[in-house]
Amino acid sequence: SQQGEEDPQALSIQEGENATMNCSYKTSINNLQWYRQNSGRGLVHLILIRSNEREKHSGRLRVTLDTSKKSSSLLITASRAADTASYFCATDANNAGNMLTFGGGTRLMVKP
Amino acid sequence: GAVVSQHPSWVICKSGTSVKIECRSLDFQATTMFWYRQFPKQSLMLMATSNEGSKATYEQGVEKDKFLINHASLTLSTLTVTSAHPEDSSFYICSGGRDEQYFGPGTRLTVT
Repeated sequence: SQQGEEDPQALSIQEGENATMNCSYKTSINNLQWYRQNSGRGLVHLILIRSNEREKHSGRLRVTLDTSKKSSSLLITASRAADTASYFCATDANNAGNMLTFGGGTRLMVKP
Repeated sequence: GAVVSQHPSWVICKSGTSVKIECRSLDFQATTMFWYRQFPKQSLMLMATSNEGSKATYEQGVEKDKFLINHASLTLSTLTVTSAHPEDSSFYICSGGRDEQYFGPGTRLTVT
């Protein structure tokens, strides 16, 4: 079953703009991960943030985690057309044996 | 990062036949692997947890007799869709790993 919701479900921006996606979850977690999926393709792991971390950066990606609100956000700065994809958050809940539960995903379109 | 392969990458079969999908961890041993299903424009839904040397654990609503899972070695898990029907057409993805889950590229199954 899906852990939570992602917001927005779809996002369309111009190249160069920033894109922010939000994820909410319901149970306590070990970590939260963000993945990208191009249409009809497999998942690409973007970033993992542990429950004791609040913010993490990787290149143009910035992830925040607020465990008190059970929410996370993914910010993509200076977006490019190649960033067009679906983005999913996934939570690794406590005592779940590394099983991931995925959010509904955000479909991002970056217009050139 | 670690590599997970899936075979085949796509398969078309007739209704009533069975299809086997292989998931291999190429550079790590996986005592546990996960099978997900993804319908078009939807998120990944966990189907089952594949346990090396023991029975798989199925999520609620997933028929264990229809989706047979075998995890005979530390590097191979197989999912067999038995007596496939058109509604089983989907994108099947496996994963394995520790803190970070590594996903296979997926198998697109089309049942005609």
